[in-house]
Amino acid sequence: KAGVTQTPRYLIKTRGQQVTLSCSPISGHRSVSWYQQTPGQGLQFLFEYFSETQRNKGNFPGRFSGRQFSNSRSEMNVSTLELGDSALYLCASSLAASGGDTDTQYFGPGTRLTVL
Amino acid sequence: QKEVEQNSGPLSVPEGAIASLNCTYSDRGSQSFFWYRQYSGKSPELIMSIYSNGDKEDGRFTAQLNKASQYVSLLIRDSQPSDSATYLCAVGLGGGSQGNLIFGKGTKLSVKP
Repeated sequence: KAGVTQTPRYLIKTRGQQVTLSCSPISGHRSVSWYQQTPGQGLQFLFEYFSETQRNKGNFPGRFSGRQFSNSRSEMNVSTLELGDSALYLCASSLAASGGDTDTQYFGPGTRLTVL
Repeated sequence: QKEVEQNSGPLSVPEGAIASLNCTYSDRGSQSFFWYRQYSGKSPELIMSIYSNGDKEDGRFTAQLNKASQYVSLLIRDSQPSDSATYLCAVGLGGGSQGNLIFGKGTKLSVKP
């Protein structure tokens, strides 16, 4: 079974631009979560999508948004990029059914975003 | 504010020794607990999940959970240089209803040959 895939793997943007990152979950997984990882703050939760609906949201400004399509693929968008948005953006998928190990999240390889 | 605390390390152990990694969490409603391993420049890789109090063993890895003390640990027996990585503790509310995990900042483990 193929793992979580993310595109692009690397991205360089300048301040003020916007960016869209893509994530394809493991086949059959219905939940997609996005995280930002920086050396100072570690892994921080951005938001989760389940059945095309945002189910949970972390403490990030409205410049960060996302969506999920009917095939469970997800995109996240960051508008008006700031230098501090430079980070590794990780997508994780899970079955999100009730009970047992269905909560387990499997991570993609990440997108390394550099804002100049 | 839900928090997960880990010692940042680095934790240095000789090859063949037992490495002990610890984690505490603040939310008593937490139901699912995970250990991820992250090599430098790579994404987190799941090592263990644990949901019930007690020990769970998988090969050289043993996860221990004590919900009363809000404490999770990971023991790595017969540590190998390839185990050198950052280990992330993650906590969730469980039940398949929550897609967000709260992560600690990780403990860097170094296994010396």
